[in-house]
Amino acid sequence: DTEVTQTPKHLVMGMTNKKSLKCEQHMGHRAMYWYKQKAKKPPELMFVYSYEKLSINESVPSRFSPECPNSSLLNLHLHALQPEDSALYLCASSQVQGLPLKPYEQYFGPGTRLTVT
Amino acid sequence: LAKTTQPISMDSYEGQEVNITCSHNNIATNDYITWYQQFPSQGPRFIIQGYKTKVTNEVASLFIPADRKSSTLSLPRVSLSDTAVYYCLVGAPTSGTYKYIFGTGTRLKVLA
Repeated sequence: DTEVTQTPKHLVMGMTNKKSLKCEQHMGHRAMYWYKQKAKKPPELMFVYSYEKLSINESVPSRFSPECPNSSLLNLHLHALQPEDSALYLCASSQVQGLPLKPYEQYFGPGTRLTVT
Repeated sequence: LAKTTQPISMDSYEGQEVNITCSHNNIATNDYITWYQQFPSQGPRFIIQGYKTKVTNEVASLFIPADRKSSTLSLPRVSLSDTAVYYCLVGAPTSGTYKYIFGTGTRLKVLA
């Protein structure tokens, strides 16, 4: 199974709402990623988890709060978002990088289309 | 992290070979070159990866010259279903994971 699933597919939320995006993989990958992608732009890395610990935070505003409850799940908690946060949020997973230095393939989910009103 | 430069868009006809070149002038010694494909409203999908010379798999070839400051993704005999955005990425392991910076990508349109 090489699939990364994300729920929900679409989400509309107001600026005062609290919601969560969920991501799941069953490939045994111990690195998981959140990306944000605006229309006609490339994906931008937000967070990276390695062995369930946050290893990279790309200076993301605190209204985005990631969580990795176990090796298969990754959540992104959303609170007090702004309309400019509307985007496609992509989750990815990969094996944890070790030796050799050749990077492992990242497997992406289909994304959650988020609209903030 | 090395930044990449690619043509913004390309058009091709079905059955033709398509070559997309990526410039990465400040590539570091440990960096690998990776290409991803993305269809609308989907996550990117891995195509091919290399470090130097030539790499070939069942869908594409990747040509990397000796100085590694550029690379070329070659798609043989494209079809309409190859219409997508193609991203060239370079990077090295960071904190136990591989940190990619996606460039602007190349929008390939395959015409009948």
